[in-house]
Amino acid sequence: QVQLVESGGGVVQPGRSLRLSCAASGFTFSIYAMDWVRQAPGKGLEWVAFISFDGSNKYYADSVKGRFTISRDNSKNTLYLQMNSLRAEDTAVYYCARNRGGGNNPNFDYWGQGTLVTVSS
Amino acid sequence: QSVLTQPPSVSAAPGQKVTISCSGSSSNIENNYVAWYQQLPGTAPKLLIYDNNKRPSGIPDRFSGSKSGASATLGIAGLQTGDEADYYCGTWDSSLSAGVFGGGTKLTVL
Repeated sequence: QVQLVESGGGVVQPGRSLRLSCAASGFTFSIYAMDWVRQAPGKGLEWVAFISFDGSNKYYADSVKGRFTISRDNSKNTLYLQMNSLRAEDTAVYYCARNRGGGNNPNFDYWGQGTLVTVSS
Repeated sequence: QSVLTQPPSVSAAPGQKVTISCSGSSSNIENNYVAWYQQLPGTAPKLLIYDNNKRPSGIPDRFSGSKSGASATLGIAGLQTGDEADYYCGTWDSSLSAGVFGGGTKLTVL
């Protein structure tokens, strides 16, 4: 069965960095686009970033552009989110999601359980 | 402020039907496919509808989706108490080159 397991969350000070990982199993990871979606406490969903199946195309939300980098290692079936210059407003549960639709038709048919990132001094 | 606009809350009695609207623009809903998600308390979102009106395997036909112009609608018929959740619409915004979600709608089954 399809599984997505995020890790790497935790408490970090403003301005510091954190790298999230998402280990995928149960499907052919290398043929699917993947995304990160976050949800601040008590708030709605916010799309964060997209990466194409081969890593050649990437898109970011304006709120994270220039600070976050999405990447993947298809040999390890793993998705990453490198988060630099973290701010308090980046505090959220971060979900990785399998994108069955591709770049301009995002629809996420499988989601991880989420990993909480708290940015606080 | 979300790019897509949803009502904050809707409610209806068990067995009734409810609709949730999602309003956007020509850069998103009007020219791209819409998806809908259900998020039960404390859980990850679940895909209900994709490509405007298609249901993934395992989603009952009580859930339906439609789109007209720059607006989309999720319909839930035969409401059950287990349908109480937050519902989100999502699509691509071609001007932003970004994915976008609505602010979410909390469904209460009275």
